[in-house]
Parts: sequence; structure tokens; C-alpha cells
Amino acid sequence: AQTVTQSQPEMSVQEAETVTLSCTYDTSESNYYLFWYKQPPSRQMILVIRQEAYKQQNATENRFSVNFQKAAKSFSLKISDSQLGDTAMYFCAFRHYGQNFVFGPGTRLSVLP
Amino acid sequence: SQTIHQWPATLVQPVGSPLSLECTVEGTSNPNLYWYRQAAGRGLQLLFYSIGIDQISSEVPQNLSASRPQDRQFILSSKKLLLSDSGFYLCAWSVSLGEAGELFFGEGSRLTVL
Repeated sequence: AQTVTQSQPEMSVQEAETVTLSCTYDTSESNYYLFWYKQPPSRQMILVIRQEAYKQQNATENRFSVNFQKAAKSFSLKISDSQLGDTAMYFCAFRHYGQNFVFGPGTRLSVLP
Repeated sequence: SQTIHQWPATLVQPVGSPLSLECTVEGTSNPNLYWYRQAAGRGLQLLFYSIGIDQISSEVPQNLSASRPQDRQFILSSKKLLLSDSGFYLCAWSVSLGEAGELFFGEGSRLTVL
């Protein structure tokens, strides 16, 4: 069975600095998608970024980028120029074709002024 | 564009009372629909998912049930709530399991059972 691990329950970063959130996963499949979701205090889950496993190029969305290491089964999220609005729970998720999503336990990120 | 709504946003219910949370999706057809529960400060637990009308799978045996009376409507119910049913409930949709699109979440419903 696929599993997703986020080893950092909580992290903090100073405003304007860069932070990296870790995610590792376990699967025997070769074709799948990886996602990072953000859940701010308002509680609605929002997609931050997605990565197709068949793509070697790391996905980027404005200040958010990933470091996808397929062989190591690692999918970290880098947030550059952190803003107060980035304060949230961040969930890493995995989905193989034809199967349901598997979520990690989440990392609580606090951006400090 | 696609939208998803769930209600009510907040609910306080006594133990033993019934529950009905509703979720509707607009702007797409034949979506996969999901109910997740999130305990305070915890991750997401998949409760039910549905690939079509009256096609519902339960992931965790519990005091809850789900129904999908229409293509874009998903309802979470209970006949008698337990204290342990308290939590934050999230409805979500995605394209079919044959593809690997992302999940789109509703605003969430906070249930407190007293």
C-alpha cells in the first residue's frame, strides 16, 4: 500500500525567507501524481502545486517550487519569500491512476513577522 | 468553471441526534465525490467515495453513511451521532479515477457533538 510521510510536524520561518517542507512516499508504481495542498486557518484546502511523475522537470508556481526526486521517492516543497499568508497546514498527497488519494499527516507552517 | 459547496458550515448537535451534511458540485458531470474527516490538528481520513449515482464505497466502518441521489450531490448522514463524530468534514471532487487530476475541496463543515 502507498504511504506518504511528512517528518516535520511543525516548522516556522521568518517573513521573506525561504523554507522547505519535506515529503517522502512509498509506492511500487511508476506512473502517478504528487500534490501539495495548503489549509490556512480558514480551513478550506487549496491546491498549491502538482507534479506528474513522468516529468523530470520540477513544477513551479510563482513562489512555490518542488524538488522531485523519483528514485529517492522524495517530493519537497520550497516556499520562497515567505509571506504571512503562507501560514497554514501543508499536506503532501499521492495519487496513482485508478486509485484514491493518499495524504501525509501534514506540516504546520508558521510565518513569523 | 467548476465549484463545490457544502453546508452547513457549522453544526452543534447533541449525542444521539441525526446528521445530514450536503455537498453539491457545479460545472462538471460524473465527478468522483469524497467525504473526508479531519480531527483537530490531524490529517485527512477518507470516509466515503463515490464514482457514480448509488455507487458508494466506505473506507472506514463507523456510525456514518453516505448517499448520492444525484450525479453532483453527495450527502453524509448519521441516524445517531456519537461524541467521536465531532470533527471537520470536507467534501471533495475529482475527475474520474481513470485520470489523475487533483482533488477540489469544499469549504468544510465543523461538527461538534455534545
